[in-house]
Amino acid sequence: GAVVSQHPSRVICKSGTSVKIECRSLDFQATTMFWYRQFPKQSLMLMATSNEGSKATYEQGVEKDKFLINHASLTLSTLTVTSAHPEDSSFYICSARGSSGGVTDTQYFGPGTRLTVL
Amino acid sequence: AQKITQTQPGMFVQEKEAVTLDCTYDTSDQSYGLFWYKQPSSGEMIFLIYQGSYDEQNATEGRYSLNFQKARKSANLVISASQLGDSAMYFCAMRAPNSGGYQKVTFGTGTKLQVIP
Repeated sequence: GAVVSQHPSRVICKSGTSVKIECRSLDFQATTMFWYRQFPKQSLMLMATSNEGSKATYEQGVEKDKFLINHASLTLSTLTVTSAHPEDSSFYICSARGSSGGVTDTQYFGPGTRLTVL
Repeated sequence: AQKITQTQPGMFVQEKEAVTLDCTYDTSDQSYGLFWYKQPSSGEMIFLIYQGSYDEQNATEGRYSLNFQKARKSANLVISASQLGDSAMYFCAMRAPNSGGYQKVTFGTGTKLQVIP
């Protein structure tokens, strides 16, 4: 089946540093990638939607200068949390939209990245 | 505005029994897709089942089936023969165009399912 990978799975960083999270679709081409944030015991919150080769569309309330998204190819999207602060600590999940294994046009999620900012 | 409602924050089911997780949705669009995902304690999201708004038959995937009632705008997930490994959070989601014209996925708040031996 379709696989979406995220790297790293866990990251601990100091306040003020930047962290880059990679999201890759491993066996299909993702026309669209989504980045979500999840707080403990809560639902996923969509941060932004990105199409390959174009600028990401951010949801209301999400700072585009703080959460930089690059979708350079049909299989890779990156989320960079710039000048991270403790309140940015969260679980970040990417999702890739594509077709794989006979299932057309659905979304597959990465395993998530746990970010802890000290 | 798109909205997904899951009214059951937590559910218990006996092992080997069937369980229904409720999901209702609201959208003004005629073309949309409905998804169910499972999130175990590890955090990853696992795709379970998909139903398109124009699909006439209810979707089924192994022990999972989606009870799609379009007029009532409900998309309940039925898990048959529950197993201990089914204990997890379950999210209902809908994908539909938003006012900006691009596809947006909206998630419900989730239902925590616990399977009792």
